[in-house]
Amino acid sequence: DTGVSQNPRHKITKRGQNVTFRCDPISEHNRLYWYRQTLGQGPEFLTYFQNEAQLEKSRLLSDRFSAERPKGSFSTLEIQRTEQGDSAMYLCASSGETRDTDTQYFGPGTRLTVL
Amino acid sequence: DAKTTQPTSMDCAEGRAANLPCNHSTISGNEYVYWYRQIHSQGPQYIIHGLKNNETNEMASLIITEDRKSSTLILPHATLRDTAVYYCIVRPRLNTNAGKSTFGDGTTLTVKP
Repeated sequence: DTGVSQNPRHKITKRGQNVTFRCDPISEHNRLYWYRQTLGQGPEFLTYFQNEAQLEKSRLLSDRFSAERPKGSFSTLEIQRTEQGDSAMYLCASSGETRDTDTQYFGPGTRLTVL
Repeated sequence: DAKTTQPTSMDCAEGRAANLPCNHSTISGNEYVYWYRQIHSQGPQYIIHGLKNNETNEMASLIITEDRKSSTLILPHATLRDTAVYYCIVRPRLNTNAGKSTFGDGTTLTVKP
């Protein structure tokens, strides 16, 4: 399978705990995106990497959230001191080098439930 | 940043063409129109995109009006598996304001037997 993969697919945690999600992009895609999606809503942009550089962060990404892409390949998204409002689907997408378009391909998502 | 407006829901009979409209009246010259769909509990799936010309691929056709203020996604022969939420978004050219492409709530297409 050469698509975007995300792990774990499901995570249940208690309020106040820290969680970390992993995203493996399509091989050789240099751009990687994180989104959050709550029930009945469309995905909301969180942050974006080009190679290892984090180029953009949404206001949704509070100081409890941190994302890394240390070697420009896989990425991790960590949420510290989780709150019930963090319950959502966390989606990762990647895109490759093209002249001027940015077709993002999404992974299956990680569904987080905070009790 | 351009926003899109889509009907909340649509029905289509199996085997018929599904025509999904999208308004993006504030689109700027450097923004592409993208369509994705999302089947329940899965990640969004890329369908097609275009700048100003009509586009066709194995999944669908995209018709963009001459003034680029609206577009229509056409699924030529809808099947039950096409039941999904369809998102129309506008996205800037590469390396410019990547975060400004917002998904909105999409159109829930229900294909009925």
